[in-house]
Amino acid sequence: QTVVTQEPSFSVSPGGTVTLTCGVSSGSVSTNLHPTWYQQTPGQAPRTLIYSTNTRSSGVPDRFSGSILGNKAALTITGAQADDESDYYCVLYMGSGISVFGGGTKLTVL
Amino acid sequence: EVQLVESGGGVVQPGGSLRLSCAASGFTFDVYAMHWVRQAPGRALEWVSLISGDGLRTYSADSVKGRFTISRDNSKNSLYLQMNSLRTEDTAFYYCAKAPGAARPPTIWGQGALVTVSS
Repeated sequence: QTVVTQEPSFSVSPGGTVTLTCGVSSGSVSTNLHPTWYQQTPGQAPRTLIYSTNTRSSGVPDRFSGSILGNKAALTITGAQADDESDYYCVLYMGSGISVFGGGTKLTVL
Repeated sequence: EVQLVESGGGVVQPGGSLRLSCAASGFTFDVYAMHWVRQAPGRALEWVSLISGDGLRTYSADSVKGRFTISRDNSKNSLYLQMNSLRTEDTAFYYCAKAPGAARPPTIWGQGALVTVSS
């Protein structure tokens, strides 16, 4: 069974830069897995930040960017703001219609 | 504006059934694959099921295979999730979500419907 891994938690200072990663148990993450990133605050539906590795969703500020770093997908937030404090999830498309979510990263801005 | 509105959530006993609906608007519904994704309280997102735009291909997570059925009625711009043999571990918010095209991870989300399985 495929497992998608994320850091359970991360912290960043206001104005700082943080990179969250998304790995896969079967090996390397590539663009073929269409890594997609979401932001979720408590009580709210997920908000799509990045899809297909590095395409920003409409209305998402360019402080958020997606890439492949080594064998993982990455979400980089530059100039972190207080309201970036959220849970961040990645998902990978594993083929045959199946998507697998990571366990999420709780980002603290302090 | 793209909108997805779930309905049909509620409280059901273990072993019971429930059908969720999702009303879609603001896009050409039959062009896009659609997902159901769930999230148990305090837990991570979990992909549940996907259906192709024409409704001919469906895929489900092992955790719900044989119990949950995804379907759609393109004449009504509606997506459904029939949930049978419900278990306490199925308690979650269930989100209807639109794929960006074919079978890719979702990019547009509804607000979710809460399903509680409890005796």
